[in-house]
Amino acid sequence: AQKITQTQPGMFVQEKEAVTLDCTYDTSDQSYGLFWYKQPSSGEMIFLIYQGSYDEQNATEGRYSLNFQKARKSANLVISASQLGDSAMYFCAMREGRDDKIIFGKGTRLHILP
Amino acid sequence: DGGITQSPKYLFRKEGQNVTLSCEQNLNHDAMYWYRQDPGQGLRLIYYSQIVNDFQKGDIAEGYSVSREKKESFPLTVTSAQKNPTAFYLCASTPKRRTENQPQHFGDGTRLSIL
Repeated sequence: AQKITQTQPGMFVQEKEAVTLDCTYDTSDQSYGLFWYKQPSSGEMIFLIYQGSYDEQNATEGRYSLNFQKARKSANLVISASQLGDSAMYFCAMREGRDDKIIFGKGTRLHILP
Repeated sequence: DGGITQSPKYLFRKEGQNVTLSCEQNLNHDAMYWYRQDPGQGLRLIYYSQIVNDFQKGDIAEGYSVSREKKESFPLTVTSAQKNPTAFYLCASTPKRRTENQPQHFGDGTRLSIL
């Protein structure tokens, strides 16, 4: 069974609009961390934002915020005021507290339209 | 500057040949990882290592082997048993063992193709 599920293979969004990328996860651990990464066409992996399972507030980093709903095991990435440079693949990842294993979802390809 | 260096950037493998992908980090990180990425797909974990001389299988370890003789080095060998090795391989590391909030640092990747 997949531990990280990203249900949107691709999305098209108009520039300057907000966009939400979905991520649900599955773990029996009480302690875990959730990450979002951006991968442009160049292939590099760019860390965007982190949410810990014990964090009571949703994480924010500039235009990025994480809508963390623990009971639903959901960790959606919200990008406000999208820009053309936001076009990329976006990956959700989880690190469980038991060990250092980090697993990724299949990703969402985001296209920002001018 | 500190970082992760993967080499080579491009690699070609002949049928029945083993090839080794290099991953070196000078970040003094404890944990290191190898992922495989197929076109348009997510990252799948091959192997990871939390400490020198120890490593664990990820989700797709068959046909691959690793070693961790030094903290800064985690080479990946793609053996002839891996029948479909063409992919983009990413190496990553994290600073401390069992610290949930530490993001991974990634290398620039190696693109492996079969001849």
